Amino acid sequence: DQQVKQNSPSLSVQEGRISILNCDYTNSMFDYFLWYKKYPAEGPTFLISISSIKDKNEDGRFTVFLNKSAKHLSLHIVPSQPGDSAVYFCAASPTLYSGGGADGLTFGKGTHLIIQP
Amino acid sequence: EAQVTQNPRYLITVTGKKLTVTCSQNMNHEYMSWYRQDPGLGLRQIYYSMNVEVTDKGDVPEGYKVSRKEKRNFPLILESPSPNQTSLYFCASSTREGADEKLFFGSGTQLSVL
Repeated sequence: DQQVKQNSPSLSVQEGRISILNCDYTNSMFDYFLWYKKYPAEGPTFLISISSIKDKNEDGRFTVFLNKSAKHLSLHIVPSQPGDSAVYFCAASPTLYSGGGADGLTFGKGTHLIIQP
Repeated sequence: EAQVTQNPRYLITVTGKKLTVTCSQNMNHEYMSWYRQDPGLGLRQIYYSMNVEVTDKGDVPEGYKVSRKEKRNFPLILESPSPNQTSLYFCASSTREGADEKLFFGSGTQLSVL
């Protein structure tokens, strides 16, 4: 049973346009959500997070939107740049302490974002 | 520089030959964990450790062992590797403090078991 779903294995976007990556979850106990970015031959790196008390969090070109009623979150990248080409993982946790315990992070399968020049 | 260091980066071995993948972090983090990444399956947690001498199973612990004798080190041990353990492995650490807690990952270990 997959609790965090990223239904698009890949996404191709033109440079300068908006990239929208989607993530759905089924566990209503999740209340902290994160996005990680991964380049080939490197470990995932933290990108942005959002707690369930918010519906939006913005950091530069990256914005995460959370719709709790729909159990859906999305990552918007505007404008998209070539360096944004990577695999993006959505992750969720039932606690604010997302790194630890039995309530650790649950990851989606990832979306490979390709930014075309 | 704050980092999580894994060694080796690449490892090819044969079925049944015991191996250890080392992991060390220099951020004084309490929490450490191991993940494996497989095509179409994303990142799955193998084991985690809340602190020294405290370890517990994640989602896919079968065939693995860990130990946490020191805060900075969290080795992953495969006593008798099998081909289904061929995968990309990541060690991670984090602190349990703060409102913006997140995992820091190592660069990964690509393991092939023949």
